[in-house]
Amino acid sequence: DAGVIQSPRHEVTEMGQEVTLRCKPISGHDYLFWYRQTMMRGLELLIYFNNNVPIDDSGMPEDRFSAKMPNASFSTLKIQPSEPRDSAVYFCASRKGTSGKVGELFFGEGSRLTVL
Amino acid sequence: RKEVEQDPGPFNVPEGATVAFNCTYSNSASQSFFWYRQDCRKEPKLLMSVYSSGNEDGRFTAQLNRASQYISLLIRDSKLSDSATYLCVVRANDYKLSFGAGTTVTVRA
Repeated sequence: DAGVIQSPRHEVTEMGQEVTLRCKPISGHDYLFWYRQTMMRGLELLIYFNNNVPIDDSGMPEDRFSAKMPNASFSTLKIQPSEPRDSAVYFCASRKGTSGKVGELFFGEGSRLTVL
Repeated sequence: RKEVEQDPGPFNVPEGATVAFNCTYSNSASQSFFWYRQDCRKEPKLLMSVYSSGNEDGRFTAQLNRASQYISLLIRDSKLSDSATYLCVVRANDYKLSFGAGTTVTVRA
Protein backbone atom coordinates (compact mmCIF):
# COMPACT_ATOMS: atom_id res chain seq x y z
CA ASP A 1 0.00 0.00 0.00
CA ALA A 2 1.19 3.51 -0.73
CA GLY A 3 2.13 5.58 2.25
CA VAL A 4 1.73 9.31 2.69
CA ILE A 5 3.07 11.03 -0.39
CA GLN A 6 4.56 14.49 -0.26
CA SER A 7 5.90 16.76 -2.97
CA PRO A 8 8.24 18.31 -3.65
CA ARG A 9 10.90 16.45 -1.69
CA HIS A 10 13.24 19.41 -1.91
CA GLU A 11 12.58 23.03 -2.69
CA VAL A 12 15.01 25.91 -2.82
CA THR A 13 13.51 29.32 -3.33
CA GLU A 14 14.25 32.96 -2.79
CA MET A 15 12.81 35.12 -0.09
CA GLY A 16 9.47 36.57 -1.07
CA GLN A 17 8.46 33.73 -3.36
CA GLU A 18 5.36 31.64 -2.86
CA VAL A 19 5.87 28.03 -1.81
CA THR A 20 3.26 25.29 -2.10
CA LEU A 21 3.78 21.93 -0.47
CA ARG A 22 1.51 19.02 -1.31
CA CYS A 23 0.35 15.94 0.50
CA LYS A 24 -1.64 12.85 -0.36
CA PRO A 25 -2.66 10.97 2.80
CA ILE A 26 -3.13 7.24 3.04
CA SER A 27 -6.47 6.23 1.56
CA GLY A 28 -9.13 5.88 4.22
CA HIS A 29 -7.34 8.02 6.80
CA ASP A 30 -9.58 10.77 8.10
CA TYR A 31 -7.00 12.80 10.01
CA LEU A 32 -4.26 14.78 8.33
CA PHE A 33 -1.51 16.72 10.09
CA TRP A 34 1.11 19.20 8.95
CA TYR A 35 4.30 19.38 11.04
CA ARG A 36 7.44 21.46 10.71
CA GLN A 37 10.81 20.26 11.97
CA THR A 38 13.88 22.36 12.65
CA MET A 39 16.99 21.74 14.69
CA MET A 40 16.10 24.56 17.06
CA ARG A 41 12.43 23.82 17.66
CA GLY A 42 12.05 20.14 16.87
CA LEU A 43 8.77 18.86 15.44
CA GLU A 44 5.96 21.39 15.69
CA LEU A 45 2.33 20.81 14.77
CA LEU A 46 1.12 23.50 12.40
CA ILE A 47 -2.45 22.41 11.65
CA TYR A 48 -4.60 19.32 11.49
CA PHE A 49 -7.74 18.33 9.63
CA ASN A 50 -10.48 15.83 10.36
CA ASN A 51 -12.63 14.79 7.43
CA ASN A 52 -11.13 17.66 5.40
CA VAL A 53 -12.12 20.27 8.00
CA PRO A 54 -9.39 22.25 9.80
CA ILE A 55 -9.70 21.50 13.50
CA ASP A 56 -6.74 23.24 15.08
CA ASP A 57 -4.55 25.77 13.30
CA SER A 58 -3.08 27.34 16.42
CA GLY A 59 0.37 26.21 15.39
CA MET A 60 0.39 28.11 12.13
CA PRO A 61 3.12 30.71 12.63
CA GLU A 62 1.44 33.69 11.01
CA ASP A 63 -0.78 34.82 8.19
CA ARG A 64 1.84 33.98 5.62
CA PHE A 65 0.98 30.33 6.17
CA SER A 66 -2.23 28.75 4.94
CA ALA A 67 -3.41 25.17 4.52
CA LYS A 68 -6.27 23.62 2.64
CA MET A 69 -7.75 20.20 2.22
CA PRO A 70 -10.19 20.33 -0.68
CA ASN A 71 -10.85 16.59 -0.58
CA ALA A 72 -9.94 13.46 1.33
CA SER A 73 -6.94 12.69 -0.83
CA PHE A 74 -5.15 16.01 -1.10
CA SER A 75 -3.87 18.82 1.07
CA THR A 76 -1.64 21.82 0.50
CA LEU A 77 0.44 24.02 2.76
CA LYS A 78 1.23 27.39 1.27
CA ILE A 79 3.71 30.03 2.39
CA GLN A 80 3.39 33.44 0.84
CA PRO A 81 5.68 35.31 0.97
CA SER A 82 8.42 32.95 2.12
CA GLU A 83 11.22 34.05 4.46
CA PRO A 84 14.59 32.48 5.32
CA ARG A 85 13.29 31.53 8.80
CA ASP A 86 10.74 29.26 7.11
CA SER A 87 13.55 26.93 6.09
CA ALA A 88 12.72 23.56 7.61
CA VAL A 89 11.49 20.08 6.83
CA TYR A 90 7.72 20.02 6.50
CA PHE A 91 6.06 16.69 7.23
CA CYS A 92 2.57 15.62 6.40
CA ALA A 93 1.09 12.75 8.41
CA SER A 94 -2.20 10.90 8.48
CA ARG A 95 -4.09 8.38 10.59
CA LYS A 96 -7.42 6.72 10.79
CA GLY A 97 -9.27 8.12 13.76
CA THR A 98 -11.16 5.13 15.03
CA SER A 99 -8.89 2.16 14.59
CA GLY A 100 -5.38 1.08 15.10
CA LYS A 101 -2.96 2.50 17.59
CA VAL A 102 -4.21 5.87 18.79
CA GLY A 103 -0.76 7.39 18.73
CA GLU A 104 0.38 6.04 15.41
CA LEU A 105 0.80 8.69 12.80
CA PHE A 106 2.04 7.74 9.37
CA PHE A 107 4.44 10.35 8.10
CA GLY A 108 5.43 11.21 4.58
CA GLU A 109 9.10 11.53 3.73
CA GLY A 110 8.93 15.28 4.18
CA SER A 111 9.54 18.34 2.04
CA ARG A 112 12.87 20.01 2.74
CA LEU A 113 12.47 23.75 2.17
CA THR A 114 15.34 26.19 1.89
CA VAL A 115 14.53 29.87 1.55
CA LEU A 116 17.52 31.98 0.51
CA ARG B 1 7.74 25.68 29.22
CA LYS B 2 7.78 23.08 26.47
CA GLU B 3 5.09 20.40 26.59
CA VAL B 4 7.64 17.62 26.22
CA GLU B 5 11.30 17.93 27.16
CA GLN B 6 14.10 15.53 26.41
CA ASP B 7 17.83 15.35 26.97
CA PRO B 8 19.15 15.80 23.45
CA GLY B 9 22.20 13.63 24.10
CA PRO B 10 24.03 12.35 22.19
CA PHE B 11 24.37 9.08 23.99
CA ASN B 12 27.35 7.26 22.53
CA VAL B 13 27.43 3.61 23.53
CA PRO B 14 29.29 0.48 22.38
CA GLU B 15 27.47 -2.40 20.80
CA GLY B 16 25.92 -4.64 23.39
CA ALA B 17 25.59 -1.91 26.00
CA THR B 18 22.41 -0.78 27.71
CA VAL B 19 21.30 2.80 27.28
CA ALA B 20 18.42 4.58 28.96
CA PHE B 21 16.97 8.05 28.78
CA ASN B 22 13.92 9.95 29.95
CA CYS B 23 11.57 12.65 28.92
CA THR B 24 9.26 14.84 31.00
CA TYR B 25 5.88 16.26 30.06
CA SER B 26 4.08 19.27 31.47
CA ASN B 27 0.39 18.45 30.97
CA SER B 28 -0.81 16.30 33.84
CA ALA B 29 -3.97 15.52 31.85
CA SER B 30 -1.99 13.73 29.15
CA GLN B 31 -3.56 10.41 28.33
CA SER B 32 -1.27 8.49 26.04
CA PHE B 33 2.45 8.21 25.61
CA PHE B 34 4.69 6.89 22.86
CA TRP B 35 8.23 6.60 21.62
CA TYR B 36 8.94 7.33 17.99
CA ARG B 37 12.19 6.66 16.18
CA GLN B 38 13.64 8.96 13.53
CA ASP B 39 16.61 7.98 11.42
CA CYS B 40 18.83 10.68 9.96
CA ARG B 41 17.00 12.65 7.25
CA LYS B 42 14.00 10.31 7.44
CA GLU B 43 10.48 10.59 8.76
CA PRO B 44 9.51 9.65 12.34
CA LYS B 45 8.01 6.20 12.86
CA LEU B 46 6.22 4.74 15.85
CA LEU B 47 8.54 2.58 17.95
CA MET B 48 6.20 1.65 20.79
CA SER B 49 3.39 2.80 23.00
CA VAL B 50 4.04 3.33 26.71
CA TYR B 51 1.61 1.78 29.16
CA SER B 52 1.11 2.64 32.81
CA SER B 53 2.43 -0.70 33.98
CA GLY B 54 5.50 -0.52 31.78
CA ASN B 55 6.00 -2.64 28.70
CA GLU B 56 8.64 -4.37 26.65
CA ASP B 57 9.06 -4.87 22.96
CA GLY B 58 12.06 -7.09 22.40
CA ARG B 59 15.14 -5.23 23.59
CA PHE B 60 13.17 -2.06 24.29
CA THR B 61 11.51 -1.31 27.62
CA ALA B 62 9.31 1.71 28.25
CA GLN B 63 8.18 3.02 31.63
CA LEU B 64 5.71 5.69 32.66
CA ASN B 65 5.70 7.59 35.92
CA ARG B 66 2.54 9.67 36.05
CA ALA B 67 3.25 11.11 39.50
CA SER B 68 6.53 12.60 38.34
CA GLN B 69 5.35 13.08 34.77
CA TYR B 70 8.19 11.33 33.05
CA ILE B 71 8.62 8.53 30.55
CA SER B 72 11.68 6.42 30.02
CA LEU B 73 13.09 4.20 27.31
CA LEU B 74 15.72 1.55 27.87
CA ILE B 75 17.51 -0.29 25.10
CA ARG B 76 19.30 -3.50 25.99
CA ASP B 77 22.03 -5.18 23.98
CA SER B 78 22.37 -2.18 21.68
CA LYS B 79 22.84 -2.82 17.97
CA LEU B 80 24.42 -0.55 15.39
CA SER B 81 20.97 -0.30 13.81
CA ASP B 82 19.61 1.29 16.99
CA SER B 83 21.48 4.49 16.14
CA ALA B 84 18.75 7.07 15.67
CA THR B 85 16.93 9.92 17.34
CA TYR B 86 14.21 8.82 19.74
CA LEU B 87 11.24 11.15 20.07
CA CYS B 88 9.07 11.18 23.15
CA VAL B 89 5.43 11.78 22.24
CA VAL B 90 2.47 12.72 24.41
CA ARG B 91 -1.22 12.89 23.59
CA ALA B 92 -3.64 15.04 25.59
CA ASN B 93 -7.39 14.79 25.10
CA ASP B 94 -7.66 14.97 21.34
CA TYR B 95 -5.83 13.59 18.37
CA LYS B 96 -3.00 16.09 18.63
CA LEU B 97 0.39 14.61 19.49
CA SER B 98 3.15 16.70 21.07
CA PHE B 99 6.66 15.65 20.17
CA GLY B 100 9.82 16.15 22.17
CA ALA B 101 12.91 17.40 20.35
CA GLY B 102 14.47 13.97 20.53
CA THR B 103 17.37 12.11 22.12
CA THR B 104 20.15 11.04 19.81
CA VAL B 105 21.68 7.62 20.34
CA THR B 106 24.81 6.49 18.54
CA VAL B 107 25.89 2.88 18.87
CA ARG B 108 29.51 2.25 17.90
CA ALA B 109 31.16 -1.00 16.89
